[in-house]
Amino acid sequence: GAVVSQHPSRVICKSGTSVKIECRSLDFQATTMFWYRQFPKQSLMLMATSNEGSKATYEQGVEKDKFLINHASLTLSTLTVTSAHPEDSSFYICSANPWRGVETQYFGPGTRLLVL
Amino acid sequence: GEDVEQSLFLSVREGDSSVINCTYTDSSSTYLYWYKQEPGAGLQLLTYIFSNMDMKQDQRLTVLLNKKDKHLSLRIADTQTGDSAIYFCAERNGGSQGNLIFGKGTKLSVKP
Repeated sequence: GAVVSQHPSRVICKSGTSVKIECRSLDFQATTMFWYRQFPKQSLMLMATSNEGSKATYEQGVEKDKFLINHASLTLSTLTVTSAHPEDSSFYICSANPWRGVETQYFGPGTRLLVL
Repeated sequence: GEDVEQSLFLSVREGDSSVINCTYTDSSSTYLYWYKQEPGAGLQLLTYIFSNMDMKQDQRLTVLLNKKDKHLSLRIADTQTGDSAIYFCAERNGGSQGNLIFGKGTKLSVKP
């Protein structure tokens, strides 16, 4: 089956630092990857849609200069939280659509970010 | 805009059937999904249904879709303690490359 990995799984950082989260599709190519954010006991909220070789499309209210997304290859997308603050603490989950355009997305295991 | 609604909690006894309900608003949704999330983990796809179907069965899971009422349900037969998790209903927005719109999730608690 399709596997999506995320790294790191958990990160603690000081306020003001930047954190990079990687999302990889391990056994398929993904033209489109999605980044979601989940607050405790809340649903997943889409942050941005990442397309290989082009700029990401951000959802309303998501600061593109704060959440930098790079989709450099068909198997890797990165999310960088710049100048992180405590309110950025959350669970970040990526998902990927296989190149063959099947009807579902495959989700990574998530990255827990805690900003002190 | 699109909206997906679910009840927040469901408690059942081990061995009983669980039914988790979901309503959605986007009548153009082509696929509807059920995901399972265990504590501290990512989302696991359980099953999905194409909008021109009204039922899909996969082992202990049965999905029912009432497209007219925009109502989706997930039935888990013979519920086990390992089924305790949060279950998210989701609809696809905009074709095969579209993002998913999620409900808030239903927390299923299975009592022994």
